[in-house]
Amino acid sequence: SQTIHQWPATLVQPVGSPLSLECTVEGTSNPNLYWYRQAAGRGLQLLFYSVGIGQISSEVPQNLSASRPQDRQFILSSKKLLLSDSGFYLCAWSAGFEGEQYFGPGTRLTVT
Amino acid sequence: GQQVMQIPQYQHVQEGEDFTTYCNSSTTLSNIQWYKQRPGGHPVFLIQLVKSGEVKKQKRLTFQFGEAKKNSSLHITATQTTDVGTYFCAGPSGSARQLTFGSGTQLTVLP
Repeated sequence: SQTIHQWPATLVQPVGSPLSLECTVEGTSNPNLYWYRQAAGRGLQLLFYSVGIGQISSEVPQNLSASRPQDRQFILSSKKLLLSDSGFYLCAWSAGFEGEQYFGPGTRLTVT
Repeated sequence: GQQVMQIPQYQHVQEGEDFTTYCNSSTTLSNIQWYKQRPGGHPVFLIQLVKSGEVKKQKRLTFQFGEAKKNSSLHITATQTTDVGTYFCAGPSGSARQLTFGSGTQLTVLP
């Protein structure tokens, strides 16, 4: 069966520090991968999606970037965090664009 | 671009009462999906509806897809405290190659 991992579970970082969040998927090949951000009590904001190694589509211009160095690995990064980057970051995978998405456990990021 | 709206945003019910959330898309959807997010957790896929007018049931949950494939509803009969969470609908956005999620309905069940 397929599983999706995210780490760390929680993170507290000062403003201006770098960020690296990692997501890995097991049990499937060539998945579509997604990064979402969710503010407290709010909906899901799609940040990036990827259909293959090295292929990244950005949905929201900001100081975040994403990379997909391996088929089942998706990384979210920032060179300098802003206070507004705080939130719940969720990685998800799907077999196709119209199919259901499966979410990882998420990372709660607090920028102080 | 495509918009998916959900109402209500919040719903408080007494345990045992019924609950319904509604989802409306600005465009025709090839399918509609429903997810549940427990407090502090991540969204979990519940179901996908594909056919016009389709109705599916999961125990006390009934999902409907409208005839025009632009709206959907989730009805919970006799809510329980385990039903607490936020329910999201989502539909493929066609050319944008992604799912568009509704804003969610946050359900609170009072014991």
